[in-house]
Amino acid sequence: NAGVTQTPKFQVLKTGQSMTLQCAQDMNHEYMSWYRQDPGMGLRLIHYSVGAGITDQGEVPNGYNVSRSTTEDFPLRLLSAAPSQTSVYFCASTLTPAGTDTQYFGPGTRLTVL
Amino acid sequence: DQQVKQNSPSLSVQEGRISILNCDYTNSMFDYFLWYKKYPAEGPTFLISISSIKDKNEDGRFTVFLNKSAKHLSLHIVPSQPGDSAVYFCAASGTSYGKLTFGQGTILTVHP
Repeated sequence: NAGVTQTPKFQVLKTGQSMTLQCAQDMNHEYMSWYRQDPGMGLRLIHYSVGAGITDQGEVPNGYNVSRSTTEDFPLRLLSAAPSQTSVYFCASTLTPAGTDTQYFGPGTRLTVL
Repeated sequence: DQQVKQNSPSLSVQEGRISILNCDYTNSMFDYFLWYKKYPAEGPTFLISISSIKDKNEDGRFTVFLNKSAKHLSLHIVPSQPGDSAVYFCAASGTSYGKLTFGQGTILTVHP
C-alpha cells in the first residue's frame, strides 16, 4: 500500500493563478480531509469528505474548492491564489469518521504564492 | 480562538532523560485526544491517544496523561532518544466526523 500520496511536493504560483493539489489513498478509506499548516498555527482543517459525493467545510474553507467523485481521490482546488495561501498542505484519510480512528497523513505539498 | 494550545514552542532534553510535552484545551466538548509526531518534509504520524474517560494511557516509552478538570494533557517520553527529535502536535476531537483541532506544535530536540 502506498498509503496517502500527494502531488506536487512543491509549487510556486503567482497571485491570481489557479491550481489543483492532488491527493489519493489506496486504503479504501471513506473519510478524507485537507489541512494547512502555518507557523505558530498548527494544522487547520480546510475541507473534508465523509464519502464519495459528500463534502463539507472545515475551519478555513475560503478560497478553496473540493470534490469527491471517487473513494480514492480528493483534490483541492485553489480558485485564485493569494499570498495568504502560502502554506504547507496535508491530505489525510481515515477508515471511519469516528473521532477515535487514526488519521493517516500524506507527505504534504509546500505552496508558495508570490 | 485557539481551542488547543501548546504554549512551549520548543523543548531541549538530554538523551536518556524524560521529555514532557504539555497541551491545554478550552472546549469541554472534546472527548478524545491524540498526539502526532512530525519529521521535516513528512506528514504527521499518529503516536498515542487517550479517551476522556481515562486519565492515563501508556504505549512503550510514551505515556499520555489527561487532567479533565484542568483541561490539560501531557505526553511523557521516557527515556528520550535522539530519534524522538521532531515536532509534536497535540490534537483533540469532539465530533462524530473525526475533525481534529490541532495545537501549534512543540519542537523536541533530544541531544546525544
